[in-house]
Amino acid sequence: GAGVSQSPSNKVTEKGKDVELRCDPISGHTALYWYRQSLGQGLEFLIYFQGNSAPDKSGLPSDRFSAERTGGSVSTLTIQRTQQEDSAVYLCASSLGISGLAAYEQYFGPGTRLTVT
Amino acid sequence: ILNVEQSPQSLHVQEGDSTNFTCSFPSSNFYALHWYRWETAKSPEALFVMTLNGDEKKKGRISATLNTKEGYSYLYIKGSQPEDSATYLCAPPPGNTPLVFGKGTRLSVIA
Repeated sequence: GAGVSQSPSNKVTEKGKDVELRCDPISGHTALYWYRQSLGQGLEFLIYFQGNSAPDKSGLPSDRFSAERTGGSVSTLTIQRTQQEDSAVYLCASSLGISGLAAYEQYFGPGTRLTVT
Repeated sequence: ILNVEQSPQSLHVQEGDSTNFTCSFPSSNFYALHWYRWETAKSPEALFVMTLNGDEKKKGRISATLNTKEGYSYLYIKGSQPEDSATYLCAPPPGNTPLVFGKGTRLSVIA
């Protein structure tokens, strides 16, 4: 079956522009996560969707960042008025998220490399 | 914020050497732990989910142990090969918010 897909794979944008990053999770996975990895840093949690529950937005670094998940499937991460410090690899992951620890195993997409010039 | 520490930050070993590294976490908070492997230019992939104190998992030459009472997990690689070169990440399962991955141990195996 298909894994987690993300688009675009690379995005170069000018400072101040808005960008949208897309994630298609594995079919049937109810949980979806966004992370980013800045140069030389570890994985930084951004936001987490679980089913119909309100998303956990505690990792979003500023109000320029937002994400939505439509129909419990596809998710879009939007960054408004991009800054150079937003340059990073943005990773999406999904998990079954139903019950049991194995259900929380995350399957990662290939990532979107964002470069803000 | 729950803190997950990994050490060492990076490691260089010769092909054939065995090695191990550590994931430390607040023992009162974590009841389970995931290990992930992240190769350059690829996505992180799950290696193990550790669930019980004293749990030990093995996959080929790679094994891991978990001690929830003292708050650590070890990952061991026996007879390292160049294809083992990757960053190894540990993380609690979702439910401990915010979700926290360790910064990883970057392993380089030199042929």
